[in-house]
Amino acid sequence: SQQGEEDPQALSIQEGENATMNCSYKTSINNLQWYRQNSGRGLVHLILIRSNEREKHSGRLRVTLDTSKKSSSLLITASRAADTASYFCARVSSGSARQLTFGSGTQLTVLP
Amino acid sequence: GAVVSQHPSWVICKSGTSVKIECRSLDFQATTMFWYRQFPKQSLMLMATSNEGSKATYEQGVEKDKFLINHASLTLSTLTVTSAHPEDSSFYICSAPRPLSTDTQYFGPGTRLTVL
Repeated sequence: SQQGEEDPQALSIQEGENATMNCSYKTSINNLQWYRQNSGRGLVHLILIRSNEREKHSGRLRVTLDTSKKSSSLLITASRAADTASYFCARVSSGSARQLTFGSGTQLTVLP
Repeated sequence: GAVVSQHPSWVICKSGTSVKIECRSLDFQATTMFWYRQFPKQSLMLMATSNEGSKATYEQGVEKDKFLINHASLTLSTLTVTSAHPEDSSFYICSAPRPLSTDTQYFGPGTRLTVL
């Protein structure tokens, strides 16, 4: 498949806990991005990490990138019920014209 | 702030009819827009890249005669699903590259198409 794989497919946690989602890909990348999608809605960009970066933070989000393993992870700390959504990684492959290739996604449910 | 809008947000049509979906960039120009299709509980699959002033580029397996794309202006791209069939029922999402950004995109809210 051209898409990356994400795991877990679904994750259910209690409010206040941390949520970790993983993404793997097969081709070389310029950068990797994480998006969030509420049910039946469009996507919202969360964070971008470039191929020469290993870790990036934004508020309660922490993203890591391991290009040798072709994998990335998204950590959401101190989760809230409002974080319930689907989370997708997306990559821009080297040489592509801004096209995003999305991973399979993780459905996160945060229980109040 | 800059956003992308889609119209309609949902549409129900009979099999065999054509449906047009509009994607507009608000407050910014987009020479390129992207159209995605998303089936329930699945990821987004890129269908085509819409280019202002030139033909769209379709992904492998996407029928260009069935999914007509017209990028009529710097703020508007349309996707027309011709002779729709029930298997075309899906969530269609467009996006446009953010101004001054190399790779991130603004996404529209999506259009839910149901073909009876």
